[in-house]
Amino acid sequence: GEDVEQSLFLSVREGDSSVINCTYTDSSSTYLYWYKQEPGAGLQLLTYIFSNMDMKQDQRLTVLLNKKDKHLSLRIADTQTGDSAIYFCAGRYNKLIFGAGTRLAVHP
Amino acid sequence: DGGITQSPKYLFRKEGQNVTLSCEQNLNHDAMYWYRQDPGQGLRLIYYSQIVNDFQKGDIAEGYSVSREKKESFPLTVTSAQKNPTAFYLCASSSSGEDTEAFFGQGTRLTVV
Repeated sequence: GEDVEQSLFLSVREGDSSVINCTYTDSSSTYLYWYKQEPGAGLQLLTYIFSNMDMKQDQRLTVLLNKKDKHLSLRIADTQTGDSAIYFCAGRYNKLIFGAGTRLAVHP
Repeated sequence: DGGITQSPKYLFRKEGQNVTLSCEQNLNHDAMYWYRQDPGQGLRLIYYSQIVNDFQKGDIAEGYSVSREKKESFPLTVTSAQKNPTAFYLCASSSSGEDTEAFFGQGTRLTVV
């Protein structure tokens, strides 16, 4: 079945790059997504990548997709305190499936 | 403004009571979803609906019920059969295309007292 996994916690220094990783079991999702959740709020779409692409860049965000290893990553360059949040990767099968979320903490 | 609205933001329930969480969208989306969020467990799918008058169970449907009588509305009832209902509940909607994003409501925090 479909399963999406993430590490639960990442701590980085302000100004460094953050890399959040995700693995998935089912390759049938045409797109893979990254969502961001601020405290006490819903999720907002950050970016998504088409499954036949290897990389997508959008300002400070870079998404890398390794289809062979079923591995997805989100890199945030020049991480700021406002980037502190929970980040979810997701795939769309016949329904949206989310990973457990990675809590990113940015410290001075 | 187009969007998806959940109400109430906070809800308290006594043990043994049923309670209904509201989710309304004016985005003309076909698909709607309910997720439950517990600390460290991410989002778990309760129910989803891809079209009016049809819905499917997600991974943790036991103790919950839904209806989809209108395209705009997908209410979730937490019944007394749900043994551990205290959680943050999120509703989402999306159009049918795979490349479209899901829009989320702001969530309802349900506490059993």
